[in-house]
Amino acid sequence: EIVLTQSPGTLSLSPGERATLSCRASQSVTGRYLAWYQQKPGQAPRLLIYDVSTRATGIPDRISGSGSGTDFTLTISRLEPEDFAVYYCQHYGSSPKTFGQGTKVEIK
Amino acid sequence: EVQLFESGGGLVQPGGSLRLSCAASGFAFSTYAMNWVRQAPGKGLEWVSAITSGGGSTYYADSVKGRFTISRDNSKNTLDLQMNSLRAEDTAIYYCARDPGVVPIHYLDYWGQGTLVTVSS
Repeated sequence: EIVLTQSPGTLSLSPGERATLSCRASQSVTGRYLAWYQQKPGQAPRLLIYDVSTRATGIPDRISGSGSGTDFTLTISRLEPEDFAVYYCQHYGSSPKTFGQGTKVEIK
Repeated sequence: EVQLFESGGGLVQPGGSLRLSCAASGFAFSTYAMNWVRQAPGKGLEWVSAITSGGGSTYYADSVKGRFTISRDNSKNTLDLQMNSLRAEDTAIYYCARDPGVVPIHYLDYWGQGTLVTVSS
């Protein structure tokens, strides 16, 4: 089972700033099987990125994913008010699917 | 529009049982694998179980194996999770989520709004 560790736990930034979120896997992720989700309070998670860097339907291009092997990054180039939320990475491709513990992006 | 609606949550005593359901609409339900994912209060996401599009294969997290059973009725576009021998640590919001393939090895592209299960005496 691949364990995903996200950092930092909380990111305090202002609107317009760049957010860089990290997801590190306990072993190499094969097949580009890495996704990112956004969750706002009281809402279900929403798929942002799959296959490391492919944006899901309707996701703006200010949100991007990158990485390979064990190190992955979600970047939000310029934070909009609606981007303040919790973000989770997820490994798939085998059972069990595993999630990171989340990074909260809060308004500074 | 893809829609997933969970129901069946509630308060149950430790050792008790509960059956969750997820009603799907807006897509060809029988051609997609499905999953249950849970989130304990104030905590992160935990994958619980998955089932292939035809229902022939099922998968479980170690934490629920032997206690939970996932099933689906493709004629009714519904996904179920039978939860037995419930424990306090099963307290969570339970989400059903679609897997964009016939086998559940992918990301989760659509999620329901969740149903809350509370296990407490």
